[in-house]
Amino acid sequence: KAGVTQTPRYLIKTRGQQVTLSCSPISGHRSVSWYQQTPGQGLQFLFEYFSETQRNKGNFPGRFSGRQFSNSRSEMNVSTLELGDSALYLCASSSGPGGTYEQYFGPGTRLTVT
Amino acid sequence: AQKVTQAQTEISVVEKEDVTLDCVYETRDTTYYLFWYKQPPSGELVFLIRRNSFDEQNEISGRYSWNFQKSTSSFNFTITASQVVDSAVYFCALSFSGGSNYKLTFGKGTLLTVNP
Repeated sequence: KAGVTQTPRYLIKTRGQQVTLSCSPISGHRSVSWYQQTPGQGLQFLFEYFSETQRNKGNFPGRFSGRQFSNSRSEMNVSTLELGDSALYLCASSSGPGGTYEQYFGPGTRLTVT
Repeated sequence: AQKVTQAQTEISVVEKEDVTLDCVYETRDTTYYLFWYKQPPSGELVFLIRRNSFDEQNEISGRYSWNFQKSTSSFNFTITASQVVDSAVYFCALSFSGGSNYKLTFGKGTLLTVNP
């Protein structure tokens, strides 16, 4: 079975721009969660989508949004990028609700905002 | 407040030593889940174990073992006879509902370096 894939792997953007990251979950998994990882704040939960509906949201500003398609693929969007948005963005999929099932993580997208 | 504390920021051991990674959690929920994940230098988090709050049985999987004690709110992870390939950052995580849908809160992680 193919693992979780994330594209692109690396991205460099300028302050004020917007960015869209993509995640393809393991086949059959309906839950996709997104996390932000930074050296200072560690791993922080952004949001979770399950069957195209946002089930849960972390404490991030509205500039961070996401969606899930009928094939369970998910996208995450960050608008009006700030320097502090530089981070590794991780996507994880699970066969059930992300908070209670084991999650399988992708390799991440390294976003650098200059 | 719901949180996970991994007090050991970095641990360095020599191959074949046993090492224990500590995890202490706080939650008001009676139903919750605890996890351990490993993040090797490649960056991809790997699931190691899940425990729910009603299952206090300790678990052993090869060289890995976990000790869950609700009385001390701890979920410690021991690697026996460590190997260089065990070098990674290890994260403990807590999932609770708090009246809503469950979401995962991670500890800050413990960087384990196993030297040959």
